[in-house]
Amino acid sequence: GDSVTQMEGPVTLSEEAFLTINCTYTATGYPSLFWYVQYPGEGLQLLLKATKADDKGSNKGFEATYRKETTSFHLEKGSVQVSDSAVYFCAPLSGGYNKLIFGAGTRLAVHP
Amino acid sequence: DGGITQSPKYLFRKEGQNVTLSCEQNLNHDAMYWYRQDPGQGLRLIYYSQIVNDFQQGDIAEGYRVSREKKESFPLTVTSAQKNPTAFYLCATAGTGTSYEQYFGPGTRLTVT
Repeated sequence: GDSVTQMEGPVTLSEEAFLTINCTYTATGYPSLFWYVQYPGEGLQLLLKATKADDKGSNKGFEATYRKETTSFHLEKGSVQVSDSAVYFCAPLSGGYNKLIFGAGTRLAVHP
Repeated sequence: DGGITQSPKYLFRKEGQNVTLSCEQNLNHDAMYWYRQDPGQGLRLIYYSQIVNDFQQGDIAEGYRVSREKKESFPLTVTSAQKNPTAFYLCATAGTGTSYEQYFGPGTRLTVT
């Protein structure tokens, strides 16, 4: 079945460092892809999305490019801030009934 | 103000009791979802509904019940048959646009002792 694999956390960075969180997936066809962010004790917020191959989603300095050849959707940010500390989830959309497939998420901790 | 509300934020129950979690939305979205999240884990789908008066089981429906009598509301009942009910429960909605992104409520943390 459809699945997603994210790099294990926690990822610990200093403020202003470059961030990459890897995400690969297996799915039928070319699903829409999403990154969500979850701050402690809260629900998930949509961070960015891409709906077709080679699309680049971007928001708040974060970017991710839909790579169908490698079935990947890696999240990047050029300069992280302490306020970016959260758990990040990569989620492809399973076509059957618009179901999001979640992995365990990657915890990011940014220190001053 | 459009959005999704879940109440209460924290809920405590004794083992053997049923408990109902509320989810309300004013986004006019057709689809609604319930997820469960355990510490350090991703989200697992419990039930979903694409339209009023219809819903389907997700991956872990055993011990849970839902209803969808109104477009705005999708309550989840955690029954005494659910073996490990303590968890963080998240409700989400989705429109029927081209990308079907889901929007999440703030969640309800249920503790059963």
